[in-house]
Amino acid sequence: GENVEQHPSTLSVQEGDSAVIKCTYSDSASNYFPWYKQELGKRPQLIIDIRSNVGEKKDQRIAVTLNKTAKHFSLHITETQPEDSAVYFCAASFAGGTSYGKLTFGQGTILTVHP
Amino acid sequence: GAGVSQSPSNKVTEKGKDVELRCDPISGHTALYWYRQSLGQGLEFLIYFQGNSAPDKSGLPSDRFSAERTGGSVSTLTIQRTQQEDSAVYLCASSLERGAPYEQYFGPGTRLTVT
Repeated sequence: GENVEQHPSTLSVQEGDSAVIKCTYSDSASNYFPWYKQELGKRPQLIIDIRSNVGEKKDQRIAVTLNKTAKHFSLHITETQPEDSAVYFCAASFAGGTSYGKLTFGQGTILTVHP
Repeated sequence: GAGVSQSPSNKVTEKGKDVELRCDPISGHTALYWYRQSLGQGLEFLIYFQGNSAPDKSGLPSDRFSAERTGGSVSTLTIQRTQQEDSAVYLCASSLERGAPYEQYFGPGTRLTVT
């Protein structure tokens, strides 16, 4: 089955700096890669996703890049703000077979943005 | 509109007892997923329902775990003879339809503590 590795496990940055979180996956059939943000005690919420037919996607201060050959994808947050502090999870899934959309998650990155 | 809801929000039970956790997906969402999040860990897939198709139970950790979905809407996750290692937050998610990996919307979770 799919295996997703996420690094780093913790990331501390100053307000205004950029933050990068990286994930690798094992199943070359995976074709959908969402990123979720989970604030303390809250439910995970999707912040951005990318499908395998594109290499990069951007939404304001957030961007995701995908390298299917190397089987890795990254989350980039620019101009970080204290409210970006949360746990971020990457995930991978394959839209096909008998289980569409089943997500395999990375272990999470605790991002702390210091004012 | 209403999001995914789960009940109870917290459940404390004694080792060996059975528990039932409930999930109400977003109206019209045909896909429903259960995940488990242990303290400080990522999300672990448990089971997936899609319409009237047979569920994907490949993530259930043991035969003490079972789930059903009645009428294509509400789902119940049952854990029999609970063990301390079952303590975790159980998250339910729903998404729009099969055939494309649409965004999964998560519920607030049920925090299960087995004493």
